[in-house]
Amino acid sequence: QVQLQESGPGLVKPSQTLSLTCTVSGGSISSGSYYWSWIRQPAGKGLEWIGRIYTSGSTNYNPSLKSRVTISVDTSKNQFSLKLSSVTAADTAVYYCARAKYVDTAMWFDPWGQGTLVTVSS
Amino acid sequence: SYELTQPPSVSVSPGQTARITCSGDALPKQYAYWYQQKPGQAPVLVIYKDSERPSGIPERFSGSSSGTTVTLTISGVQAEDEADYYCQSADSSGTSLFGGGTKLTVL
Repeated sequence: QVQLQESGPGLVKPSQTLSLTCTVSGGSISSGSYYWSWIRQPAGKGLEWIGRIYTSGSTNYNPSLKSRVTISVDTSKNQFSLKLSSVTAADTAVYYCARAKYVDTAMWFDPWGQGTLVTVSS
Repeated sequence: SYELTQPPSVSVSPGQTARITCSGDALPKQYAYWYQQKPGQAPVLVIYKDSERPSGIPERFSGSSSGTTVTLTISGVQAEDEADYYCQSADSSGTSLFGGGTKLTVL
């Protein structure tokens, strides 16, 4: 079965760029009707969708983060990545990658990676 | 901006039925999905397309939809069901969004 694993620095300085990678195992990132997504969760708070990418490179972003977010995909490595620029303490959160299954207008997230904590601090 | 509204908390005794609601103006036009999140763990999908249950999810989990409200029902609640539950849907532009989450306490 497909598994996802996030990786990247756990500490980022304010104003810098947060960079994370999600490695997909147990299946090809290019197969099936799937988007590949990033979702985050500040400590003790709810989930916030960041954005998604299709293997063609087509992306959709949360309007509240759109100006700072870039999601890319590397099908040769079975990976997709997140870059979030100009970070502040408000960007401190657990970041999850997830596979998004879509059928017509329906889209849901399954499975999820285990999550990685990113702290923004000097 | 569009929001999905959930009650912050629901409490039930073991063996009882828990109902967690999620309200949003676009829900008559968009499917809803439900995730269970236990402390320190990633969310797990328990219901998709309003009422479909993924393989491996116990039959006591069910979903329904009526107008602008969707409901996750857990019948015969067990201690292991204590968790945070999040609904998810989309707005008219296809932007995914989550409800604020509901903490289910098993008394």
